[in-house]
Amino acid sequence: QSVLTQPPSVSAAPGQKVTISCSGDSSNMRGNYVTWYQQLPGTAPKLLIYDNNKRPPGIPDRFSVSKSGTSVTLDITGLQTGDEADYYCGIWDSSLSGNWVFGGGTKLTVL
Amino acid sequence: QLQLQESGPGLVSSSETLSLTCTVSGDSISSVSYYWGWIRQPPGKGLEWIGNVYSSGSTYYNPSLKSRVTLSLDTSRNQFSLKLWSVTAADTAVYYCASQRLGSWDELDHWGQGTLVTVSS
Repeated sequence: QSVLTQPPSVSAAPGQKVTISCSGDSSNMRGNYVTWYQQLPGTAPKLLIYDNNKRPPGIPDRFSVSKSGTSVTLDITGLQTGDEADYYCGIWDSSLSGNWVFGGGTKLTVL
Repeated sequence: QLQLQESGPGLVSSSETLSLTCTVSGDSISSVSYYWGWIRQPPGKGLEWIGNVYSSGSTYYNPSLKSRVTLSLDTSRNQFSLKLWSVTAADTAVYYCASQRLGSWDELDHWGQGTLVTVSS
């Protein structure tokens, strides 16, 4: 089964910028159609960002993504304490079997 | 606005069948624009996809769970359901239902609040 790799944890101070990487291989990055989910403590995951930096209503533009090869990076600028959460990347493998692949998640700590 | 809500027993005995239902409001599960899916999260761990069901009844399952899982639709109640057979303690998790909007990114755009299912021995 395909795997997406994320760092287990990242941290930064309020107001700073943090990046979270999501790396796969050419077989699972499918045109880099990676989506990102935010899971605040004790809550369900929610869609954070998809497509070319499209965000659902209520998600600020402090959240953005960039792509390089088989890696996609989530950038969060102007960190706020409310951004402290787990972040997951995921991709739908639309090949014959169909399969969602998620990264292991990254815990963001705002110092 | 699409809303999803999981329901079902919070405690299941080992070797029995876990059954959960997701009630959808704000759109029809007969919509051709969505897959309807289940994802679970063991305590303190990451997300694991279980499977999807489409309005036609077509299903996709996680290969690691395929032998024990059945997803189905109830269009009259606008619900879809999960059955997981022969559960063990390893199936203890928060179970989420979610909608997957079909397109290029196929994003999971709406999630239920989740329901904790504990498997007891």
